[in-house]
Amino acid sequence: TQLLEQSPQFLSIQEGENLTVYCNSSSVFSSLQWYRQEPGEGPVLLVTVVTGGEVKKLKRLTFQFGDARKDSSLHITAAQPGDTGLYLCAGDPLKSNYKLTFGKGTLLTVNP
Amino acid sequence: DTEVTQTPKHLVMGMTNKKSLKCEQHMGHRAMYWYKQKAKKPPELMFVYSYEKLSINESVPSRFSPECPNSSLLNLHLHALQPEDSALYLCASSLDPLPRNTIYFGEGSWLTVV
Repeated sequence: TQLLEQSPQFLSIQEGENLTVYCNSSSVFSSLQWYRQEPGEGPVLLVTVVTGGEVKKLKRLTFQFGDARKDSSLHITAAQPGDTGLYLCAGDPLKSNYKLTFGKGTLLTVNP
Repeated sequence: DTEVTQTPKHLVMGMTNKKSLKCEQHMGHRAMYWYKQKAKKPPELMFVYSYEKLSINESVPSRFSPECPNSSLLNLHLHALQPEDSALYLCASSLDPLPRNTIYFGEGSWLTVV
């Protein structure tokens, strides 16, 4: 079984603070996606990382893929209330089984 | 344009009703998926269609019946559901089946079974 351990599960911070969300696994993934989801809506793709050691930036969000392609992190700088939502990491397995492996999600609340 | 469109957005049905959820994508994607998601939990895979053929059924009860009429459309037929089936149902697609393909989700159909 390929597991993705995502942490923290819940995070409540004040506007302007920085935060980091982690996804770790003992398995290797060919790629890893990060999604953001608001209540009652579908997950919206933020980024796909495919190369070990890759760093991608999306405005105040920075995504890293570990060198061994077993882990990833999402760092948000100067969080804003609009960043509030459920953040999901999902690994695309190295061996084809048609299934994304999801982390349990991080529920982020940014208070004004 | 990375859009997966789902209808209806909300559906309330009784346990004896028959209804359908619909999904459409015009990105030329060759893999389509149905996921079920409970509140504050990650999505759980139900079915995968690859090149219009059912390739994975994750032991889903037969009261859920998927259908892929063509490469752009995916339906989920619902019959004799239980209240515990109430959830957000997500359709998704990718250019090709995994691995090495990004999955794009629709906005979801929120189903309530009464």
